[in-house]
Amino acid sequence: DTGVSQNPRHKITKRGQNVTFRCDPISEHNRLYWYRQTLGQGPEFLTYFQNEAQLEKSRLLSDRFSAERPKGSFSTLEIQRTEQGDSAMYLCASRPQLATSETQYFGPGTRLLVL
Amino acid sequence: SQELEQSPQSLIVQEGKNLTINCTSSKTLYGLYWYKQKYGEGLIFLMMLQKGGEEKSHEKITAKLDEKKQQSSLHITASQPSHAGIYLCGAPFTGNQFYFGTGTSLTVIP
Repeated sequence: DTGVSQNPRHKITKRGQNVTFRCDPISEHNRLYWYRQTLGQGPEFLTYFQNEAQLEKSRLLSDRFSAERPKGSFSTLEIQRTEQGDSAMYLCASRPQLATSETQYFGPGTRLLVL
Repeated sequence: SQELEQSPQSLIVQEGKNLTINCTSSKTLYGLYWYKQKYGEGLIFLMMLQKGGEEKSHEKITAKLDEKKQQSSLHITASQPSHAGIYLCGAPFTGNQFYFGTGTSLTVIP
């Protein structure tokens, strides 16, 4: 499968615990995005990487959230001291460098439930 | 996102009927993307429009970007149960940030 993959697909955690999600983009894509989607809403932009550099962060990304892309390939999104309001679908997308008009390709998402 | 408003929020149609979903932007669009999302899954790219007046079709789905580039419509002809899902419009505005509309939930009754 050459699409974007995300792991785990589902995560249930207790409030206050830390969680980490992984995204593996399409191999030749150097641009990577994280989004959060709550029920009944469209995805909201969280952060953007070009290669290993995190170039943009939304104000939605509080200091409990951190994202990395250490070698410019896979990325991780960590949420520390989870809160019930963090319950959402976390989506990752990748995009190639060359064409600005090229679409993003989305992974299946990680659904987080904080109890 | 406040930048992109979609209407209607939800739609229930009988199989075989035509339908239209609208996406209105508060700013000039420099590219408008349409995606489909099945419940609990990732987004599937449908099509992208860049130029005012542009129209694209894929199978029974047609999307248009109006001349003033602030509104797009997605039209489905002869809807089928396989068309059911959430339709999302999205666009880049500031830097590398990408904004989505709130989505339109489509149910097609066989």
